[in-house]
Amino acid sequence: DVKVTQSSRYLVKRTGEKVFLECVQDMDHENMFWYRQDPGLGLRLIYFSYDVKMKEKGDIPEGYSVSREKKERFSLILESASTNQTSMYLCASSSRGLGNQPQHFGDGTRLSIL
Amino acid sequence: RKEVEQDPGPFNVPEGATVAFNCTYSNSASQSFFWYRQDCRKEPKLLMSVYSSGNEDGRFTAQLNRASQYISLLIRDSKLSDSATYLCVVPLDRGSTLGRLYFGRGTQLTVWP
Repeated sequence: DVKVTQSSRYLVKRTGEKVFLECVQDMDHENMFWYRQDPGLGLRLIYFSYDVKMKEKGDIPEGYSVSREKKERFSLILESASTNQTSMYLCASSSRGLGNQPQHFGDGTRLSIL
Repeated sequence: RKEVEQDPGPFNVPEGATVAFNCTYSNSASQSFFWYRQDCRKEPKLLMSVYSSGNEDGRFTAQLNRASQYISLLIRDSKLSDSATYLCVVPLDRGSTLGRLYFGRGTQLTVWP
């Protein structure tokens, strides 16, 4: 089974802090994704990466950056946390197979910015 | 038009009932589709993949209508454990290896005893 591991299930930070969310997958997947999920808004893509050191903006990249130094690890960075970044953050990965492949998710990180 | 649209529900059905959800998508070039299940405060999990006209897995049947651009999920003999939110998922690009998917906002199902 695919295993996607997020570093924290719950995290509380203060406004203005730099926040790091880590994600590791063990299936040698090329593609990795960061989403946030808020009530009534569904899953929104923040950033994704299709290879080491490659990154692409998703639909809501403002206030975030990412890092992919190794294939198995994809980090999401909140440069200066704000209260409107309180959310559930989900990491996912998928293989670069023939046609579209499903994404596999980590357990999620519930981040609260005070 | 949104990339993928779902009826948010909620659907409230008794155990043993048959329930169906529909989902419409805008990209006519999309080839493969997915249904995910998400329990309250949990991550989405892959339920079914739909690559051709449809797919069946036990009590679950997914059907694809390319002409009308909609996907349906049918659940027969509903169980209490089927209570969850069901997400319809459509690829951004036909055959894209970048792997972007659009997730619908989900249809909430509650099965009562």
